[in-house]
Amino acid sequence: DQQVKQNSPSLSVQEGRISILNCDYTNSMFDYFLWYKKYPAEGPTFLISISSIKDKNEDGRFTVFLNKSAKHLSLHIVPSQPGDSAVYFCAASEKAGTALIFGKGTTLSVSS
Amino acid sequence: GAGVSQSPSNKVTEKGKDVELRCDPISGHTALYWYRQSLGQGLEFLIYFQGNSAPDKSGLPSDRFSAERTGGSVSTLTIQRTQQEDSAVYLCASSLSILNEQFFGPGTRLTVL
Repeated sequence: DQQVKQNSPSLSVQEGRISILNCDYTNSMFDYFLWYKKYPAEGPTFLISISSIKDKNEDGRFTVFLNKSAKHLSLHIVPSQPGDSAVYFCAASEKAGTALIFGKGTTLSVSS
Repeated sequence: GAGVSQSPSNKVTEKGKDVELRCDPISGHTALYWYRQSLGQGLEFLIYFQGNSAPDKSGLPSDRFSAERTGGSVSTLTIQRTQQEDSAVYLCASSLSILNEQFFGPGTRLTVL
């Protein structure tokens, strides 16, 4: 059974608009959540993270929101740029320094 | 500075053969992780090393898979008697022990014919 779910396999957005990528999890022991971005033929690149004691973390154009009661997190990218087109993975772990559990990814396409 | 490197970048092998995949983590990173990504799937955890502690092997799919980390640095993932379902991209990551941000290498694409 998948512990981290990204139910939308793809998302298309116009340049300048907001991209919202969603992620749901089932394990209430998860303490730390991360978003990774992956281009073809490259390894995933860390984007932004949030610990369970927070409900929002912002870094430039990227903001992650965590709703613990709903076991849901989302990544907002605003404004979206064509270079943001990639596969975005949501990941979670029970404590820092342990293995990450990944979702299947959402492919974001930003058109100019 | 240098990131995580992996070799080979691509490996094609015949069913039943053994393969070895190598990972060079970022210098100073005490934690090292192996994941794999099969077609259309997310990243699947395989094994993780933390300093001198016994590795967490809970993600290894079968006893054909093993990994070692020599001298707390380079790691080798070995798959014995490869099967077609082993075809995937094998990714290595490393991190500082107390932080959760993992830095990934480019992966090794394994194809078992």
